[in-house]
Amino acid sequence: SAVISQKPSRDICQRGTSLTIQCQVDSQVTMMFWYRQQPGQSLTLIATANQGSEATYESGFVIDKFPISRPNLTFSTLTVSNMSPEDSSIYLCSVEGSGTDNEKLFFGSGTQLSVL
Amino acid sequence: QKEVEQNSGPLSVPEGAIASLNCTYSDRGSQSFFWYRQYSGKSPELIMFIYSNGDKEDGRFTAQLNKASQYVSLLIRDSQPSDSATYLCAVTSRGNNRLAFGKGNQVVVIP
Repeated sequence: SAVISQKPSRDICQRGTSLTIQCQVDSQVTMMFWYRQQPGQSLTLIATANQGSEATYESGFVIDKFPISRPNLTFSTLTVSNMSPEDSSIYLCSVEGSGTDNEKLFFGSGTQLSVL
Repeated sequence: QKEVEQNSGPLSVPEGAIASLNCTYSDRGSQSFFWYRQYSGKSPELIMFIYSNGDKEDGRFTAQLNKASQYVSLLIRDSQPSDSATYLCAVTSRGNNRLAFGKGNQVVVIP
């Protein structure tokens, strides 16, 4: 499976500010996925980041709130904009495996965000 | 109806016992089924996957799939304290081939 590095691992932010989360993969991947896991809840897909095109957002998530960059095949960023306490969550970057692992999803270490 | 449901509350099992977790899904066309383990404060880790009806065993873990009844289960044999975690069921969505996750079941293994 790919090695996925995510940073920061955690942050405490003030309401109204923005935080950019970085995700680096040790191999080239076509798609990178950003998930949110709110306290006591399961994982919800925010968007799919494709290299060379706009990210595809899931219902309930918009680009103005969660802008995504995908400058190359190994890197992506997710920005949480104009944060409110409701954005307190774990944010996870993930990629699909390759070859026989191609339907399996692998996750980065996550970013624990707390908004005051 | 939620796509993937894991309804039972925290599960406490004594060390050495079998922990049994169940998951139901709504999309009859789903083809791939996964179990993830998530330790507190950590990211999910894939521990089992199953594509065909029946049982699949890997070490102390057994995944069971019944597509007719639309459920998938996970058995953990000889439970160890290190198995204490939340277990997430995930199912591919036929519409967009994306994974839908259940809320998870917390397992506590009591020494």
